[in-house]
Amino acid sequence: KNEVEQSPQNLTAQEGEFITINCSYSVGISALHWLQQHPGGGIVSLFMLSSGKKKHGRLIATINIQEKHSSLHITASHPRDSAVYICAVSTSQGTDKLIFGTGTRLQVFP
Amino acid sequence: EADIYQTPRYLVIGTGKKITLECSQTMGHDKMYWYQQDPGMELHLIHYSYGVNSTEKGDLSSESTVSRIRTEHFPLTLESARPSHTSQYLCASRWNTEAFFGQGTRLTVV
Repeated sequence: KNEVEQSPQNLTAQEGEFITINCSYSVGISALHWLQQHPGGGIVSLFMLSSGKKKHGRLIATINIQEKHSSLHITASHPRDSAVYICAVSTSQGTDKLIFGTGTRLQVFP
Repeated sequence: EADIYQTPRYLVIGTGKKITLECSQTMGHDKMYWYQQDPGMELHLIHYSYGVNSTEKGDLSSESTVSRIRTEHFPLTLESARPSHTSQYLCASRWNTEAFFGQGTRLTVV
């Protein structure tokens, strides 16, 4: 079992739909990251969370430390949101590495 | 916008050639990382550094080597490229719990 699990693995949506991507983890963390990877391969950091909720434009990220769970929401989705969304955690002990989920591939159709 | 740069973005090279993938950051971060990502798969840590003259191997065994002579520069070298090295290589740096990623180098060995 992976230490960071994401669901769903693949997601298709119609433009305008509300989208939720989930991330569960089983290790102690100091922070959780939501990343976006476009087909060209580059990664952009969307959010870094250690508690509560953050909002940036149409993107909202929440984290529940007790339940070891985070969600990424996209409101009013758009085709340009199509990408792979990756959850990653900074572990709170050990060698301070990032542990990555396998990613959620999102395709938004016009 | 984070200042972490990878060159080249794309590289097609013949078997047996020596290659160096460059990664530079202008933020003065001590912690830098190299990840390998096969298509559709998650990122795997292959090397990391906590500062000048510090390098460690990551979770995924790799035939590549790295060096850290200057804080801002963390190059990855393959002495003799093979088709099995075909992959995407991503460089990252960290400051406290924040993570910054380069655009990646997509390497194809023919």
